[in-house]
Amino acid sequence: AQSVTQLDSQVPVFEEAPVELRCNYSSSVSVYLFWYVQYPNQGLQLLLKYLSGSTLVKGINGFEAEFNKSQTSFHLRKPSVHISDTAEYFCAVKGRGSGFQKLVFGTGTRLLVSP
Amino acid sequence: DTGVSQDPRHKITKRGQNVTFRCDPISEHNRLYWYRQTLGQGPEFLTYFQNEAQLEKSRLLSDRFSAERPKGSFSTLEIQRTEQGDSAMYLCASSLSSGTTNTGELFFGEGSRLTVL
Repeated sequence: AQSVTQLDSQVPVFEEAPVELRCNYSSSVSVYLFWYVQYPNQGLQLLLKYLSGSTLVKGINGFEAEFNKSQTSFHLRKPSVHISDTAEYFCAVKGRGSGFQKLVFGTGTRLLVSP
Repeated sequence: DTGVSQDPRHKITKRGQNVTFRCDPISEHNRLYWYRQTLGQGPEFLTYFQNEAQLEKSRLLSDRFSAERPKGSFSTLEIQRTEQGDSAMYLCASSLSSGTTNTGELFFGEGSRLTVL
């Protein structure tokens, strides 16, 4: 089975500052990794995904994440945040192979961007 | 609009009543998932379908819950004899799985928020 730990439940940051949202996962098999964003009263929107290849993944809205297999991490970063980035961010993992059919989500990190 | 759609977006009901949610996935997607999200938590897997077959159910899905996808297109999630603990956002997602390729990328709907009084 897979699991995800998002170490920070809330991250406050000022506009135009850099931000990092941390994600660690646990799995006995190789994985696919995802970051989703959720705005209030809405569903989840895919920000970026790691499937294979380059460990640095770029996504929408200027976000990027780096897959670190040795540290089992997939931290999300943005060099300069906007007020509109205020939202809940979820890291998710899925095991590779036919025996793993669902995404497992972390508990989320609320990003609060203030002026 | 070719995204995942869910109906109703909001439902308020009294304890003991039955409720049904509908999900229309992206048309070419063969997989359909239901997740539940409570306040301050991440989505928790409930069940999924490949075409019309329900292939996995979580232990979270008590016998009061039933999901169907009769023609492999839209799906319904019914909750019988609702309890206050059923209050949550019910999220539907779809994906395309072909052969052995299933990266797990899900496309989510806006969710159906249930409040049980």
